[in-house]
Amino acid sequence: DVKVTQSSRYLVKRTGEKVFLECVQDMDHENMFWYRQDPGLGLRLIYFSYDVKMKEKGDIPEGYSVSREKKERFSLILESASTNQTSMYLCASSLVVGRLTEAFFGQGTRLTVV
Amino acid sequence: KQEVTQIPAALSVPEGENLVLNCSFTDSAIYNLQWFRQDPGKGLTSLLLIQSSQREQTSGRLNASLDKSSGRSTLYIAASQPGDSATYLCAVKGAGNMLTFGGGTRLMVKP
Repeated sequence: DVKVTQSSRYLVKRTGEKVFLECVQDMDHENMFWYRQDPGLGLRLIYFSYDVKMKEKGDIPEGYSVSREKKERFSLILESASTNQTSMYLCASSLVVGRLTEAFFGQGTRLTVV
Repeated sequence: KQEVTQIPAALSVPEGENLVLNCSFTDSAIYNLQWFRQDPGKGLTSLLLIQSSQREQTSGRLNASLDKSSGRSTLYIAASQPGDSATYLCAVKGAGNMLTFGGGTRLMVKP
């Protein structure tokens, strides 16, 4: 079974803190993604990475950065957390075989910024 | 730009009913479509993956169909159970690396 593991289920951080969300996948997938999910707004892509040290901005990258130093690990960094970054954060990885892509998600991190 | 719509946004049915969830997309040039289930406060669980060349996929009581030319997919759930209560999302993948998600259908199956 493919496993995508996010380091925390719940986090509470203070405004202005630097926050690290970690994600690890165990299936040697090339692509990894960070989404945030908010009521009424659905899933929005923050960043994605298609290889080690490679990244591309998604739809809402402002206020976030990412790091992919190893293939299995993709980190999302909130440089200075703000209350409007309170959300559910979802990490995913995808297996690409030709034109076929199947995505697998972690269990989510509920981040509250106070 | 691809847009994915799921109707209805919410659905409540009595246990035992067969039901259909709908997913439509605006650009038919997709490579595959994936259906997910999400329980409250949890991540997404992959249910079914349909390649663009396929018409349907089945897993247990679930059957997903794909009509690429009309931009539609349906997820059929047979003999629904309270444990099927969750939000169901569809996502399509085209030529790029990204998935485009629908807004989801929140399903409640009442005992």
